[in-house]
Amino acid sequence: QKEVEQNSGPLSVPEGAIASLNCTYSDRGSQSFFWYRQYSGKSPELIMFIYSNGDKEDGRFTAQLNKASQYVSLLIRDSQPSDSATYLCAVSFVYGNKLVFGAGTILRVKS
Amino acid sequence: GAGVSQSPRYKVAKRGQDVALRCDPISGHVSLFWYQQALGQGPEFLTYFQNEAQLDKSGLPSDRFFAERPEGSVSTLKIQRTQQEDSAVYLCASCPNTGELFFGEGSRLTVL
Repeated sequence: QKEVEQNSGPLSVPEGAIASLNCTYSDRGSQSFFWYRQYSGKSPELIMFIYSNGDKEDGRFTAQLNKASQYVSLLIRDSQPSDSATYLCAVSFVYGNKLVFGAGTILRVKS
Repeated sequence: GAGVSQSPRYKVAKRGQDVALRCDPISGHVSLFWYQQALGQGPEFLTYFQNEAQLDKSGLPSDRFFAERPEGSVSTLKIQRTQQEDSAVYLCASCPNTGELFFGEGSRLTVL
């Protein structure tokens, strides 16, 4: 059973819109939550991490965590064509230990 | 170097050949991870080192896969008697024990 679930997409949004990416996880003991962006043919790069319930904002990106619902999301405001990529949700049960990744959601921002 | 360095970037092997993939992590990073990423999938955990100790190898798919990090820095992932299903991108990541993984560019293995 997959431990981290994401909708594979593609999610298509117009330029300037808000893109909402969602992720659910199965392990209630999960401690740390990460969003990575991966361009085609490239390696994943970290966008944001969140440890506590609530929202965390960084520029155009907001991560939201709800541990009771075992749900984490990433909002991208003012989406740009350069945001088009696969977004990977990753979860860690133990701080500093291995990350379990979802399969990723493909985002396409159309100009 | 400033980032995680992996070599070779591309490797084509005939079925049955042995391959070795190298990872040079960010200097000072204690933890090192190997992941396997198939096309269209997220990275799948293979193994994890803290310094030279291999603390978790639960993701290695078979006994043909072997990883080492003898001096706590550079790591090598070895695949013996390669099979077509081993074709994937092998990603190495290092971590300064803050939980954030910093990935190398990966080694793309194609087994014919």
